[in-house]
Amino acid sequence: KAGVTQTPRYLIKTRGQQVTLSCSPISGHRSVSWYQQTPGQGLQFLFEYFSETQRNKGNFPGRFSGRQFSNSRSEMNVSTLELGDSALYLCASSSLAGVNNEQFFGPGTRLTVL
Amino acid sequence: EDKVVQSPLSLVVHEGDTVTLNCSYEVTNFRSLLWYKQEKKAPTFLFMLTSSGIEKKSGRLSSILDKKELSSILNITATQTGDSAIYLCAVPLVFGAGTILRVKS
Repeated sequence: KAGVTQTPRYLIKTRGQQVTLSCSPISGHRSVSWYQQTPGQGLQFLFEYFSETQRNKGNFPGRFSGRQFSNSRSEMNVSTLELGDSALYLCASSSLAGVNNEQFFGPGTRLTVL
Repeated sequence: EDKVVQSPLSLVVHEGDTVTLNCSYEVTNFRSLLWYKQEKKAPTFLFMLTSSGIEKKSGRLSSILDKKELSSILNITATQTGDSAIYLCAVPLVFGAGTILRVKS
């Protein structure tokens, strides 16, 4: 079974631009969660989608948004990029709804904002 | 505000040693506690704990939850260099900073 895939793997943007990251969950998984990981803040939860509905949301500004499609693939969008948005963005999928379950993480997208 | 604190922050041991990693938490609505191992990039799932006092084991790794003390421990026996990684605890929308474990040969 193929694992969680994320594209692109690396991305360089400049301040003020916007970016869209993509995540394809494990086949059959309907829950997708997004996390931001930085050296200073560690791993922080962004949001979780299940069956195209956002179920949980972390404490991030409205510049961070996401969506999930009917095939469970998910996208995350960050608008008006700031230097502090430079991070590793991880996506995780689960067969069950809610984050209180075993999650399988993708390799991440490394975003650098210049 | 929900909080997870892990200790120690980092640890260096020799192959064959036994290590104990700690995780304490403060959450308003506890559902579960999860342990992950992160080597290069993606964390990999180790354990999910929901009931106090029941040990979960997987090979040389084991973990137990103490709801009264609001804590959990992760034990690794007979450590190997392949155990070198960051070990993360989560409850589960909130992650701890992790414990960096380095096993020297």
